[in-house]
Amino acid sequence: EVQLVESGGGLIQPGGSLRLSCAASGFTVSSNYMSWVRQAPGKGLEWVSVIYSGGSTYYADSVKGRFTISRDNSKNTLSLQMNSLRAEDTAVYYCARVDGAYVYFDYWGQGTLVAVSS
Amino acid sequence: QSALTQPASVSGSPGQSITISCTGTSSDAGRYNLVSWYQQHPGKAPKLMIYEVTKRPSGVSNRFSGSKSGNTASLTISGLQAEDEADYYCCLYVGSSTFHVVFGGGTKLTVL
Repeated sequence: EVQLVESGGGLIQPGGSLRLSCAASGFTVSSNYMSWVRQAPGKGLEWVSVIYSGGSTYYADSVKGRFTISRDNSKNTLSLQMNSLRAEDTAVYYCARVDGAYVYFDYWGQGTLVAVSS
Repeated sequence: QSALTQPASVSGSPGQSITISCTGTSSDAGRYNLVSWYQQHPGKAPKLMIYEVTKRPSGVSNRFSGSKSGNTASLTISGLQAEDEADYYCCLYVGSSTFHVVFGGGTKLTVL
């Protein structure tokens, strides 16, 4: 059974850093495209970042230069390093597996809340 | 940046059918067939309902169907049930040399 479990969220001051993790089971992270999608309170979904099975990474313009997606093949986990956090980064962050051929998110974690506030 | 427009809300009575539209511009929705739809209940993670415009993942009821015409993709739910009440989001892959997806603003479905 495919399962994704995020962790690492919390309350952080503006300008601070936070690292999110997503533990995967039932499949191999490194063999798939993996993504982060976020949802601000009461708002819609926003794609944040993706890492290809080959290792290429891409980011939404809103986080480019501040966030870094990576994976740990030995632990079968996905991570998102978030630096220079802003109030507008406040959201529930979901990790999701991506079908690389037809680009849809087939499995999602339960999400972890990041709150950026002083 | 591309944007996908969805109605903020739709409603229907049990047993009825409803359709949620997702409209892009000719430069995105009209060019790509990589449209997917997600259902999200309050406090829960999104769930894939439709991919590649019309395909249903295993386990998703055949009451859910997708279509596309020109710049507009649509999700139709037939035989509405109380548990269908949720938010629905369309999603479109608009990348070319780089990966990029956009989500619609979401539609709140109320089952009366």
